[in-house]
Amino acid sequence: AQKITQTQPGMFVQEKEAVTLDCTYDTSDQSYGLFWYKQPSSGEMIFLIYQGSYDEQNATEGRYSLNFQKARKSANLVISASQLGDSAMYFCAMRDLVRTGANSKLTFGKGITLSVRP
Amino acid sequence: GAGVSQSPSNKVTEKGKDVELRCDPISGHTALYWYRQSLGQGLEFLIYFQGNSAPDKSGLPSDRFSAERTGGSVSTLTIQRTQQEDSAVYLCASSLGWGGGTYEQYFGPGTRLTVT
Repeated sequence: AQKITQTQPGMFVQEKEAVTLDCTYDTSDQSYGLFWYKQPSSGEMIFLIYQGSYDEQNATEGRYSLNFQKARKSANLVISASQLGDSAMYFCAMRDLVRTGANSKLTFGKGITLSVRP
Repeated sequence: GAGVSQSPSNKVTEKGKDVELRCDPISGHTALYWYRQSLGQGLEFLIYFQGNSAPDKSGLPSDRFSAERTGGSVSTLTIQRTQQEDSAVYLCASSLGWGGGTYEQYFGPGTRLTVT
């Protein structure tokens, strides 16, 4: 079974500063993928970044980077140079990369609310 | 290109009525997922389709829930005899691949269902 834990309370960051959103996971899968999604107040889930369990390099996508520490089972999202539009709910998710069918589903954490202050 | 679309965006229904929620995935995406997002339960997987194959219904919470996918494209999620606990946002997602692979899922805007 897979489990994602996001325990931070609502996070606040000053515009233009960096912020780290924490995510820890638990799984017995040997090969898995970790994802971060952003959900603004409009409700749509927006894919941000992906990290494979066998990737040696940490993933980066523009202002987003994923701090992957496999031994600690953590996959923290770092947002650099925060913008007002980054205010949203952020979800960490994972999936098995080997098994087929519904095992390709995403398992989500509870999410973290980020508010960017001007 | 066009993203995943869902309709209606909002649906208010009376307890006991049936509802149909529609999802139109990204063209060319063979995998389609339905999730439910509610305050108490977070995001839960409901059902998975791969192309025209029979769906994996392992996440459906009761037999009042069913879904179909027409021609490997548009999907309809049906909830019969709705209950108040069915109130949630129903999200549809599609992705390029199936089985293994790193294909990210792209989500639609969701349907907010309120059962009164």
